[in-house]
Amino acid sequence: GNSVTQMEGPVTLSEEAFLTINCTYTATGYPSLFWYVQYPGEGLQLLLKATKADDKGSNKGFEATYRKETTSFHLEKGSVQVSDSAVYFCALNKAAGNKLTFGGGTRVLVKP
Amino acid sequence: DAGVIQSPRHEVTEMGQEVTLRCKPISGHDYLFWYRQTMMRGLELLIYFNNNVPIDDSGMPEDRFSAKMPNASFSTLKIQPSEPRDSAVYFCASSAAIPVETQYFGPGTRLLVL
Repeated sequence: GNSVTQMEGPVTLSEEAFLTINCTYTATGYPSLFWYVQYPGEGLQLLLKATKADDKGSNKGFEATYRKETTSFHLEKGSVQVSDSAVYFCALNKAAGNKLTFGGGTRVLVKP
Repeated sequence: DAGVIQSPRHEVTEMGQEVTLRCKPISGHDYLFWYRQTMMRGLELLIYFNNNVPIDDSGMPEDRFSAKMPNASFSTLKIQPSEPRDSAVYFCASSAAIPVETQYFGPGTRLLVL
């Protein structure tokens, strides 16, 4: 079946540091891939997405590239801010339906 | 647009009581999802609807849980009777038919069963 594996947190960084959160997936067909972000006390928000191989999703300084050869969708940001402290979820869309399969989430804490 | 609306935002109840969580999806969205989030189990999909019809309820933990969607603008998730292990944050999300995969989440209902 479909599954998403992402690195466990928490990830603690200093402001302006480089952030990478690894995400790999297992899926049949050609799923779409997503990163959602959950700020404290809020619901999840779509951060970025990619719908086919080699696509790069980007938003708010975050980027992720759909790598079919390595079944990965790693999230990166070159210079994090305290406001980026949140839980980040990698997810994939089951090609035949509308269900999202989520990874376990990675908590990121950025210290000033 | 007001986004997905959930009520109540917080609920504290005693074991054995009935709990009803409510959700209003974004107008025009065809899909509605109920999720549960806990530290131990992460984010779990409980059930989802398409055009008010339940499509997949395989994530509903047991018969104590039920969900309805009587019309396109309202859904409920009911727990009867509630147990302490039901304590969690419950999220409702909705999505349009196109792009089908982008889900919009509500702020969640934090449930504590004593």
